[in-house]
Amino acid sequence: AQSVTQLDSHVSVSEGTPVLLRCNYSSSYSPSLFWYVQHPNKGLQLLLKYTSAATLVKGINGFEAEFKKSETSFHLTKPSAHMSDAAEYFCVVSIIGGSYIPTFGRGTSLIVHP
Amino acid sequence: EAGVVQSPRYKIIEKKQPVAFWCNPISGHNTLYWYLQNLGQGPELLIRYENEEAVDDSQLPKDRFSAERLKGVDSTLKIQPAELGDSAVYLCASSLEVQAGRDNTEAFFGQGTRLTVV
Repeated sequence: AQSVTQLDSHVSVSEGTPVLLRCNYSSSYSPSLFWYVQHPNKGLQLLLKYTSAATLVKGINGFEAEFKKSETSFHLTKPSAHMSDAAEYFCVVSIIGGSYIPTFGRGTSLIVHP
Repeated sequence: EAGVVQSPRYKIIEKKQPVAFWCNPISGHNTLYWYLQNLGQGPELLIRYENEEAVDDSQLPKDRFSAERLKGVDSTLKIQPAELGDSAVYLCASSLEVQAGRDNTEAFFGQGTRLTVV
């Protein structure tokens, strides 16, 4: 079985300050991990993905995430928040070699203050 | 290249009425998913197709929900009869056939159909 836990339902930051969105996963197999972003009334957009290559993954819009197997974590970070980053962020886990079912966390709402 | 296309974008129906959603996946994508997203929550899988075969439908409420992908391309999701609690966003996604060791596991999502049952 696989599951994903997003530890914060809301994260509030000021523009220009760092962003940290936390995600922990459980999987019986080597996981593929993703972060998606969803802006209001828009579709889900892939930010970045980890598929057993480099543990530090760089994505779009300055976001990156680090896969830490020992901590079963895949936290999303950005050095400096922009107002346009305000959105809902989803951590997603799936597996390779088994039954592939993208499983979503509950989401973290990122609020950016001017 | 067009992404995953869903229609309609919005639908308002009265309870007990039927409703259908349509999805056209990205060309060449064998795998198609239907997800349900309730307000303030992450999407939850309803059904997954590999070509025309439903390979995972354990979360699909089969008493009122049905889905089909007859030619392994487009898909429809139907609810009959709709209930108030079915109000949500219905998302369709597609991906290439997943193969072990291949970096092809990304799912591409449509914009969804927002259903309101009154």
